[in-house]
Amino acid sequence: KNEVEQSPQNLTAQEGEFITINCSYSVGISALHWLQQHPGGGIVSLFMLSSGKKKHGRLIATINIQEKHSSLHITASHPRDSAVYICAVLTQGGSEKLVFGKGTKLTVNP
Amino acid sequence: DTAVSQTPKYLVTQMGNDKSIKCEQNLGHDTMYWYKQDSKKFLKIMFSYNNKELIINETVPNRFSPKSPDKAHLNLHINSLELGDSAVYFCASSPDGANTDTQYFGPGTRLTVL
Repeated sequence: KNEVEQSPQNLTAQEGEFITINCSYSVGISALHWLQQHPGGGIVSLFMLSSGKKKHGRLIATINIQEKHSSLHITASHPRDSAVYICAVLTQGGSEKLVFGKGTKLTVNP
Repeated sequence: DTAVSQTPKYLVTQMGNDKSIKCEQNLGHDTMYWYKQDSKKFLKIMFSYNNKELIINETVPNRFSPKSPDKAHLNLHINSLELGDSAVYFCASSPDGANTDTQYFGPGTRLTVL
């Protein structure tokens, strides 16, 4: 079982819908990243979280350390939000490493 | 004024060759990384460098060697290329070595080994 699980794997929405992508992890972490990969392949780092909530434009990311869960929300979704969203956690311990989820492919239709 | 740049963007080569991919960042960041994205789009970290010191090596084959001539550059050299090395390689950087900062990614280099 992967240390980082994302759901859903694929998500199709209509423009304007509120979208939630979930990330659960099974290890102790010191931080969690949300990344966005566009259809052309480019990767953008959206958020880095260690607690609480962050907001940037229409994007909101939350993390619950006790429940080992993070969510990425997109309000008023738009076709340009279509991309793969990847959750990655920085593990704690003697040998820190960045572990990635398999990504959630989001398609927003006009 | 690109923040993190990689060259080349595409690289097609024969099995057994030696090749390098270059990465440069103009953000003044202390830490740089190399990631491999396989055919299933799964990202894996390969290396990170903090002020010329290797701080992560994710058990990649020793045919892969990162080379950092200065803080702004982290090049990836690959010896004796194999078919399984075909992938997209991403370079990234972050402000400090804590590894908890937002990372800035390059555009990727698509390596195809024939």
